[in-house]
Amino acid sequence: EPEVTQTPSHQVTQMGQEVILRCVPISNHLYFYWYRQILGQKVEFLVSFYNNEISEKSEIFDDQFSVERPDGSNFTLKIRSTKLEDSAMYFCASSAGADTQYFGPGTRLTVL
Amino acid sequence: EDQVTQSPEALRLQEGESSSLNCSYTVSGLRGLFWYRQDPGKGPEFLFTLYSAGEEKEKERLKATLTKKESFLHITAPKPEDSATYLCAVQLPSGSARQLTFGSGTQLTVLP
Repeated sequence: EPEVTQTPSHQVTQMGQEVILRCVPISNHLYFYWYRQILGQKVEFLVSFYNNEISEKSEIFDDQFSVERPDGSNFTLKIRSTKLEDSAMYFCASSAGADTQYFGPGTRLTVL
Repeated sequence: EDQVTQSPEALRLQEGESSSLNCSYTVSGLRGLFWYRQDPGKGPEFLFTLYSAGEEKEKERLKATLTKKESFLHITAPKPEDSATYLCAVQLPSGSARQLTFGSGTQLTVLP
């Protein structure tokens, strides 16, 4: 069964450093998303991406964040200058249309 | 304000003891309601999508129902492997929005 994959599973970085989280969505899906979950809190929407552009973003997704689909299979989330409060699980998701989103296993980001 | 509220926060059941989890929402014109299962340190795993009041979906020991104000996830004769956090999410009706708004989840523990 097709699934969303994410790398790395765990990323440790120093405050102020740039990180890139990578995702490979399900191959025939057209919509891509990033969510995050701070430990013990709700899953929160960050951004959605369709047709090579951002279609929606939340207040969390400020100028420090960017997304890219560099090729036909990868979808990335970049955080330019990490802060302590960026420590969280980051989940990539994809959907074929405007309905069910399938999530990846997540990347645990720890900012020291 | 909270648009998705799940109750109870935690539930402990004996194996075979059936129960229900609740998800209430305050939005009108819901586009879709989704149930996910999340194991510790993992990504949300899709269970059900419900679109209209009166709709029901079933999978093994789980059955999801939807009314105009809430959804229930019924668990019949649960087993220890059903232990997980169950997340409810809604898709809001605004424009082309596909983002999911999650509740805080119900942490289910099934004791052998």
